[in-house]
Amino acid sequence: EPEVTQTPSHQVTQMGQEVILRCVPISNHLYFYWYRQILGQKVEFLVSFYNNEISEKSEIFDDQFSVERPDGSNFTLKIRSTKLEDSAMYFCASSVGQGGTDTQYFGPGTRLTVL
Amino acid sequence: AQSVTQLDSQVPVFEEAPVELRCNYSSSVSVYLFWYVQYPNQGLQLLLKYLSGSTLVKGINGFEAEFNKSQTSFHLRKPSVHISDTAEYFCAVSDPNTGNQFYFGTGTSLTVIP
Repeated sequence: EPEVTQTPSHQVTQMGQEVILRCVPISNHLYFYWYRQILGQKVEFLVSFYNNEISEKSEIFDDQFSVERPDGSNFTLKIRSTKLEDSAMYFCASSVGQGGTDTQYFGPGTRLTVL
Repeated sequence: AQSVTQLDSQVPVFEEAPVELRCNYSSSVSVYLFWYVQYPNQGLQLLLKYLSGSTLVKGINGFEAEFNKSQTSFHLRKPSVHISDTAEYFCAVSDPNTGNQFYFGTGTSLTVIP
């Protein structure tokens, strides 16, 4: 069964460093998402992406964050200058149609630890 | 914005006993409702979803959920749990009037005791 994959599973970085989290969505999906979960808190929406542009973003997704689909398979989340509070589990998801009604399929997550 | 409340952060239950995991959401307007399960070191997997129609929704692995609009609830149930059901369960809501994002609860950790 097709699945969303994410690399790395765990990333440790120093505060102020740039990180890139990678995701490979399911191949025929058109909508892509990033969510994050700070330990003990809710899973929070960051951004959705469709047709090579951001379709929706939350207040969390400020200028430090960017997303890109550099080729036909990868979908990346970049954090330019990491802060301690960016430490969280980051989930990538994808869906065939619009995520409001269509099922979003999630990857296993990348645990980001900022020291 | 929507908000989702999962009142029980941890639910221990004996094997073969029934279980109910509670989920309440904030809005009374039309929403779509989902339950996801996360097994250790895996992604979120869809258990079931409610978009419209019958308020009782059946999902995978013997789970079902009932949509109650008046109580703004979408509780998840299983009549007899197995050890393999031990996992984290997330309730999520989407509001088609406000976009594609899902709003999640904090999750409920279900532990099935042999």
